[in-house]
Parts: sequence; C-alpha cells; structure tokens
Amino acid sequence: GDSVTQMEGPVTLSEEACLTINCTYTATGYPSLFWYVQYPGEGLQLLLKATKADDKGSNKGFEATYRKETTSFHLEKGSVQVSDSAVYFCALTPSSGGYNKLIFGAGTRLAVHP
Amino acid sequence: GAVVSQHPSRVICKSGTSVKIECRSLDFQATTMFWYRQFPKQSLMLMATSNEGSKATYEQGVEKDKFLINHASLTLSTLTVTSAHPEDSSFYICSARGGRLADTQYFGPGTRLTVL
Repeated sequence: GDSVTQMEGPVTLSEEACLTINCTYTATGYPSLFWYVQYPGEGLQLLLKATKADDKGSNKGFEATYRKETTSFHLEKGSVQVSDSAVYFCALTPSSGGYNKLIFGAGTRLAVHP
Repeated sequence: GAVVSQHPSRVICKSGTSVKIECRSLDFQATTMFWYRQFPKQSLMLMATSNEGSKATYEQGVEKDKFLINHASLTLSTLTVTSAHPEDSSFYICSARGGRLADTQYFGPGTRLTVL
C-alpha cells in the first residue's frame, strides 16, 4: 500500500543553520504531497503542498519539490530559527479515491538552539 | 480562511463516562471530516472518515460502538468516546475538507483527553 518514510529525528540545529528533512513515498500514480508542522501542544498546520511532479511548494522560508523520479519531497530551509522548533510530518493523499485519506510519515522532531 | 476549531481543548473524565468532542469548520463547508488519534511522540492514526449526512467509515481496528461519530451538518462533526477507559487517553485531532478547499485537509488544534 501507499506509505511515507521520513528521516528519524530528533534533528538538532543551531539558529541560522540549513535544514533538510528527507521524505520519500511509495504510491501508485501521482499522489498529492504535503508537509504539516505541529508546534508543542497544538494540532497540525499545513506548511506547504505540491500536487504534481516538479511542483515546488513554499511557505515561511521552507520549500519542497515534488520529485517523481526519486519519489521524494524533501523539506528544506536555508536558515532556521528557534521558532521553527516543532515536529514536521510528511504526508500524501493517494491519486486514486479522491482526497479521502492522508497517509502520514512518522514525523521528525526539529530542535533549534540559539 | 480554512479555520477548524475543536472543543474542548482539554477534558478530564472518570472511567466509564462518555465524552463528546466537537469539530467545526468556521469559514468553509466541510463535506468530509476526519478524526485522528495521536499517541505521545507518534504520528497520527486515522480513526474514521465522515461525510456530511452519511455514516462514518471506520478504519480497521477502530471500534465504531466505542467511538461514535456524527456529521450532521456541513460545519460540525462530533466524536463521542463512550464508556471511556484510561487507555482511551490520547490527543484527538479532527480535520476537514470541502468546497474550494477540497484538495487539502485542514486540522483542528486537537483535544487532549485524560481518563482517570
């Protein structure tokens, strides 16, 4: 079945460091791909998304490119801030069956220190 | 746009009682709502999907008689945990999609349930 694999955390960085969180997926067809962020004690917020191959989603300095050839959707940011500390979830919705199911990766915890 | 609220944000109840959690889409009509459960430091587990006006579809292993879901309107879905037990303690999160926002799920802030 469809699945999402994320790099294990936690990821610990100093402020202004570069961030990459790897995400790869297994799915038939062309799923839509998402990154969600969960701040401590809160629900998930949509960070960015891409719905077709080669699309780049971007928001708040984060970006991710839908790579069909490598089945990847890696999250990147050039300079992280302490306020970026959170858990990041990569997810997909299958191309078949409409948008009725989000399949999540396990989540990657990011800790940014001053 | 795309705001989803949940109420209550936290609830503590005694074992054996029932607890109702509300999920509302505030600025769009949610044709579909989803209920997730999240254990500490783990990912979200989809419990059920509900379409407005029809019965919910439960994921394998989720007891439909224990987790009652009602989606009576395009802006409101409720999850009732019946005869709660300590092992039901968890973070429950709803999401919604619909209308012009049909391709993305928007999440509520979650409800922390603690069963004593």
